[in-house]
Amino acid sequence: AQRVTQPEKLLSVFKGAPVELKCNYSYSGSPELFWYVQYSRQRLQLLLRHISRESIKGFTADLNKGETSFHLKKPFAQEEDSAMYYCALGGGSNYKLTFGKGTLLTVNP
Amino acid sequence: DGGITQSPKYLFRKEGQNVTLSCEQNLNHDAMYWYRQDPGQGLRLIYYSQIVNDFQKGDIAEGYSVSREKKESFPLTVTSAQKNPTAFYLCASSSWTGYNEQFFGPGTRLTVL
Repeated sequence: AQRVTQPEKLLSVFKGAPVELKCNYSYSGSPELFWYVQYSRQRLQLLLRHISRESIKGFTADLNKGETSFHLKKPFAQEEDSAMYYCALGGGSNYKLTFGKGTLLTVNP
Repeated sequence: DGGITQSPKYLFRKEGQNVTLSCEQNLNHDAMYWYRQDPGQGLRLIYYSQIVNDFQKGDIAEGYSVSREKKESFPLTVTSAQKNPTAFYLCASSSWTGYNEQFFGPGTRLTVL
């Protein structure tokens, strides 16, 4: 069974501070990991995916298969980063995604 | 934005009534999904469809029904059997070549009075 755990419901940091949103997964196959973001009054959108190894809006995430983690990091948080972040796990032939419960990030001025 | 539309944005229903939420996409995606979003629960999959005229139950399908008669449309009916229907409902779609990336609609907030 696929499972995604985001241990922090709420995370509050100050502007300019580093931020790390944790994500752990459980999956027996080859995982595909994603981070989705939902800004206030906007639709849920893809932030980044592990297969692309890209950096979006200063965020990066590295897939660690040994620790089964896909933590989202940014060295200097900005107020506009305040949003709900969801980690999602895909894999297999059914193209379903399993979402974590989300972490609400607040960046204070 | 665009590509996936959901209507209405807000919907009110009396207890005991069925209600249908609309989801349309013009992205030519094969797969479509319905999620329910509740505070502290994340997104939970209700139903999904990989091709026209076929769909599968997700994790919380009880009290819901869907149809997929056209590639671009995937309506969700919330029936009176759904015990706690008040929620935010999200529709999504994806392409087989998109590495499972799903594109989301703006959502419908359903309130049962």
